Amino acid sequence: GENVEQHPSTLSVQEGDSAVIKCTYSDSASNYFPWYKQELGKRPQLIIDIRSNVGEKKDQRIAVTLNKTAKHFSLHITETQPEDSAVYFCAASIGYIPTFGRGTSLIVHP
Amino acid sequence: SAVISQKPSRDICQRGTSLTIQCQVDSQVTMMFWYRQQPGQSLTLIATANQGSEATYESGFVIDKFPISRPNLTFSTLTVSNMSPEDSSIYLCSVEGVGGATDTQYFGPGTRLTVL
Repeated sequence: GENVEQHPSTLSVQEGDSAVIKCTYSDSASNYFPWYKQELGKRPQLIIDIRSNVGEKKDQRIAVTLNKTAKHFSLHITETQPEDSAVYFCAASIGYIPTFGRGTSLIVHP
Repeated sequence: SAVISQKPSRDICQRGTSLTIQCQVDSQVTMMFWYRQQPGQSLTLIATANQGSEATYESGFVIDKFPISRPNLTFSTLTVSNMSPEDSSIYLCSVEGVGGATDTQYFGPGTRLTVL
């Protein structure tokens, strides 16, 4: 089955800095890559996703890149703000069931 | 996205008892799922709730312990049976197929279960 590795497990940045979270996947058949943000005590919320026919996608301060050849994808957050502090999960999906990474705890210091 | 609700939001239960968690969506969806999330951990899929038929369970999860129902396209229940403290966790339902969009999953608010 699919295996998703996510790094780093914890990321601490100063407000205004950029943050990058990286994920690798094992199954080249995976074709959908969502990212979720989970604030403490809240549900995971979809923040951005990318499909295998696209190399990059942006939404304001958030971008995701996908390298199918290397089987890795990354989340980029620019101009971080304290409200970006949360746990971020990547996932890789074949069909309708995603495999989630272990999560990255992002801490943005004011 | 859809509006997804879960009941109860939290509960404290005694070992050996059972708890049924409800998940309601405000629109018809093609797929519904149940996940478990232990503190500080990732999301683990328990099963896919199939409308009108038996749920499809992931490795390590069995129907006797986690019976699931899905009587229609907007509602599902998960029962945690014969509970032990190891079952203490957050249980989340998720849905797919909102507005015809495939692949994308949206999560309910979760049920925080504590077993004493």
